[in-house]
Amino acid sequence: QSALTQPASVSGSPGQSITISCTGTSSDAGVYKYVSWYQQHPDKAPKLMIYDVSHRPSGVPDRFSGSKSGNTASLTISGLQAEDEADYFCSSYTGSTVVFGGGTKLTVL
Amino acid sequence: QVQLVQSGAEVKKPGASVKVSCKASGYTFSGYYIHWVRQAPGQGLEWMGWINPNSGDTKYAQKFQGWVIMTRDTAISTAYMEVNRLTSDDTAVYYCVRQDRSGWDFDYWGQGTLVTVSS
Repeated sequence: QSALTQPASVSGSPGQSITISCTGTSSDAGVYKYVSWYQQHPDKAPKLMIYDVSHRPSGVPDRFSGSKSGNTASLTISGLQAEDEADYFCSSYTGSTVVFGGGTKLTVL
Repeated sequence: QVQLVQSGAEVKKPGASVKVSCKASGYTFSGYYIHWVRQAPGQGLEWMGWINPNSGDTKYAQKFQGWVIMTRDTAISTAYMEVNRLTSDDTAVYYCVRQDRSGWDFDYWGQGTLVTVSS
């Protein structure tokens, strides 16, 4: 099972919006609603930010949103804040297993 | 509150085995799948497999079949992950994670266990 494809890095200024893409195939992200996004700060465990493509767990700011079109899922962060600077990983169910994206480093300029 | 507490860091020699534990608390252990995810230094997340604590059924990523074993002890709400025939490529932080009951996302993560393989 190949990893989902994410851009290596994205950047934005405080207050701006950014979008991170996550491209899979018709065997994973393209066919299942179980796409999730995780935020990871240095030396910390990942934290769930979005599940089932577009749902936010309790406590996650509504600045974070998710969507999907075809084989590509996206995470959008609006009103960027300094604390959003982190690595972001997507994941997808594949029918019996799970696959992660390679990760995207978000830099807040 | 839900917690997954993992065992401490390990240093192993190539060819050895390591067994990492993950003690769950704050919820019904048998009701949620436990997955294992690893992260090599400076690298991304890699899914390894899951165990159903209720039945003991397991599913491994193809890469790990035959040399990773996931088990559990329901009496003490603890999951285990054993990696055999370690190589330097297995140096990583290993996380146990709880799968949300209604989906395939990971809502709680252990603190991670660093396994270093070095001669």
